[in-house]
This record gives sequence, structure tokens and C-alpha cells, in this order.
Amino acid sequence: ILNVEQSPQSLHVQEGDSTNFTCSFPSSNFYALHWYRWETAKSPEALFVMTLNGDEKKKGRISATLNTKEGYSYLYIKGSQPEDSATYLCASSGGSYIPTFGRGTSLIVHP
Amino acid sequence: DAGVTQSPTHLIKTRGQQVTLRCSPISGHKSVSWYQQVLGQGPQFIFQYYEKEERGRGNFPDRFSARQFPNYSSELNVNALLLGDSALYLCASNPAPQETQYFGPGTRLLVL
Repeated sequence: ILNVEQSPQSLHVQEGDSTNFTCSFPSSNFYALHWYRWETAKSPEALFVMTLNGDEKKKGRISATLNTKEGYSYLYIKGSQPEDSATYLCASSGGSYIPTFGRGTSLIVHP
Repeated sequence: DAGVTQSPTHLIKTRGQQVTLRCSPISGHKSVSWYQQVLGQGPQFIFQYYEKEERGRGNFPDRFSARQFPNYSSELNVNALLLGDSALYLCASNPAPQETQYFGPGTRLLVL
């Protein structure tokens, strides 16, 4: 994998559903994996930064895992709410610390 | 505490013109990065400055330039604007390059 790739590109779920997204990144020269939430008309907001293989982070109903050996991270949202509607970006940084972003996953939660 | 601020919020220019975008980092942050985001793409890295020196440059033409001032604020300049320069320009700051970046709201540039 040469670039940061996210899937799916977009997702529509019902309120209360649990969902997850995938971020794939180059596993060589890896330093950190970042997840951001970007709501319309707002600034991207940092959710998690993970550096170690096997890292798991949690913030309320949102959690993330990291596998640096195979180059992927999962973001989970439990019991989605309409306010979770946003674009979720992941970014991978290497030794230069300059992050490379994926295209994002657009999540829409329907009431 | 104030977050990252950017000015202006919106801008309309015509082809061939020049534009300057401004960014004020969070107090205490010495690193500023610039990104270009076009619809359907993730933010693309343009420049990173740390302690007033350029420490990284993305794959953008020489028409793009930037600088960081002694107070750590930054300007992004784009010369000879092209239609394809129309995008959202994001600024992000962090205390040091290896730490989490905090983004401003962006400047939306439209080139006609």
C-alpha cells in the first residue's frame, strides 16, 4: 500500500446502529495513525492518535484499533446518533511526522 | 483558549491573480502546516514550518510559497492563480511536528 486508503467512501446508517470504518496505510517507516472527525462547516477535530501496534483508544461511543504490522486501523461507533454524522479522516505519518490523509468516510446517521 | 484562526474565510479571485492566506496558530504552538482540500479528496500537504523554518514541502508547483513569522503565524502565497487552485485551504498547528495537529476552519478560494 503506497497511499492511505479509507473504506467505505460513504455510509448511511439508522440511529442506534453500530458501524465501523477501515483505514489502510503503508506499514513501512510508520510513526503514527491519526483519526479526525470533520463536521460540515467546522474544523477537522482530532479524535485519536495511535503509535503502537495493538493500540486501542476509546472516547465515549467511539473507539479505534491499530495494526501496524499489516497497516490498518479500524474506527468503531457504537449506537450511532445523528450528531455523529460527519466525515471521518485518517492520516498516517512516518519519520518526517508529516501526515498523509485518506479521502475520508462520510457517515450519515438517519433519525 | 483560541483555536487556530484563518483569514479570510472566503475569497474570489480571477486567473492570473495572486492571493495571500493567513493563519494564526494556537498559543504556544511552533509548527504550522498548510493543506489543500478539493471536493472528494483528503487534505493534501503543501508546506510545514517549524520554528520559522520550512521543514517539509508537498508536491505543489513553485507558484505556492509560504513563510512563518517570529510570532509563529504563517502566510501562504499563491501566484498566477489557475482554475484548479480553487479549493479549501486548511492550516493546522501543533506544539512540535510529531504532535497532534489542530486545524483551523479553512479559507475557501474560488478562482474564476
